[in-house]
Amino acid sequence: QSALTQPASVSGSPGQSITISCTGTSSDIGTYKYVSWYQLHPGKAPKLMIYDVSKRPSGVSDRFSGSKSGNTASLTISGLQAEDEADYYCCSYVSGITWVFGGGTKLTVL
Amino acid sequence: EVQLVESGGVVVQPGGSLRLSCAASGFTFDDYTMHWVRQAPGKGLDWVSLISWDGGSTYYADSVKGRCTISRDNSKNSLYLQMNSLRNEDTALYYCAKESRDGFNFDYWGQGTLVTVSS
Repeated sequence: QSALTQPASVSGSPGQSITISCTGTSSDIGTYKYVSWYQLHPGKAPKLMIYDVSKRPSGVSDRFSGSKSGNTASLTISGLQAEDEADYYCCSYVSGITWVFGGGTKLTVL
Repeated sequence: EVQLVESGGVVVQPGGSLRLSCAASGFTFDDYTMHWVRQAPGKGLDWVSLISWDGGSTYYADSVKGRCTISRDNSKNSLYLQMNSLRNEDTALYYCAKESRDGFNFDYWGQGTLVTVSS
């Protein structure tokens, strides 16, 4: 199972919105609603930001939103803040009881 | 507060073995499926294995199948990963992750334990 495709980096200024794409195939994102997004800060535990394509866990800011179209999922962060600077990974469930992650996107807040 | 604390990461030679542990607290451990996910240096996340709440079902990524065994001790709120026949490409930060009640995602993670396979 190949990794999902994410841009290596994105950037934005405080207050702006950015979108991170995550492209898979009809075997993963295209078939399943089980797309999730994780935020990784260096030295800290990964944090679940979005699950089931567009649902937000309790405690996650509503500035974070998710969507899916065909084989591509997207994470949008609005009103960028300095603390949003981190690595973001998408993930999709794949049949056969396995999960596939994206290669990760480094978000820089300018 | 949910806490997952991994341990057991060491430097080991190719072909060697080790056992990773994950101590869980802050939730009813035996209610949840648990996972191991790893991240090689400079690389993305990579799902490794899962074990059902009662240990009755286990699944592995093809990359570790036949070399790794996941297990749990619900009486000790602990998760384990026995790794054998280690390869250079197993070098990674290994995370323990709790599956959410909704399933199919990982709602809490530990900070990871580093496994380095090197001669």
